[in-house]
Amino acid sequence: KAGVTQTPRYLIKTRGQQVTLSCSPISGHRSVSWYQQTPGQGLQFLFEYFSETQRNKGNFPGRFSGRQFSNSRSEMNVSTLELGDSALYLCASSREVGGYTFGSGTRLTVV
Amino acid sequence: AQKITQTQPGMFVQEKEAVTLDCTYDTSDPSYGLFWYKQPSSGEMIFLIYQGSYDQQNATEGRYSLNFQKARKSANLVISASQLGDSAMYFCAMRPPNFGNEKLTFGTGTRLTIIP
Repeated sequence: KAGVTQTPRYLIKTRGQQVTLSCSPISGHRSVSWYQQTPGQGLQFLFEYFSETQRNKGNFPGRFSGRQFSNSRSEMNVSTLELGDSALYLCASSREVGGYTFGSGTRLTVV
Repeated sequence: AQKITQTQPGMFVQEKEAVTLDCTYDTSDPSYGLFWYKQPSSGEMIFLIYQGSYDQQNATEGRYSLNFQKARKSANLVISASQLGDSAMYFCAMRPPNFGNEKLTFGTGTRLTIIP
């Protein structure tokens, strides 16, 4: 079966710009979570969506936002990019009860 | 709040030897789940093994086993007969007990290098 698909794989953006990342979960998985991974802070939880509703949110500024569509695909948006937003952004999908399957991530570089 | 501690930033192990990666956790919840993930240089997080806090037996998945010591709050990953392809970052993670609280807390990871 198809895994979790994240697009694009790589992005280079300029400070001040905004960016949108996409995540398509495994078919039948209704929960989609987003994580930011940096060398300094490690893996940090951004937010989680379930049935088009944000159910949990991590400790990130309001520049980080997301949404989920009726087909469970999710997007996250970062506005007014800062150099510190350079990171690997990972998406994970899960069933109501069960393990998490991660995508390959989107590597964002802000210059 | 939940916390995961991985005290080994890096490990070098000879091929075919067994390796133990340490993980300790802290939580006040009586129910929780523990995971181990492997992250190769490509970036993808690959699920290895899961242990529920009420599971009586240690989890095993092929060459991976989890040495779960609940009283000591440790959940060490054991890889038997290591292979060159095992070289990667390994993360221990914890999930809270509540359905609807889908948030994994990760440790800082251990970089494992298998030496031929």
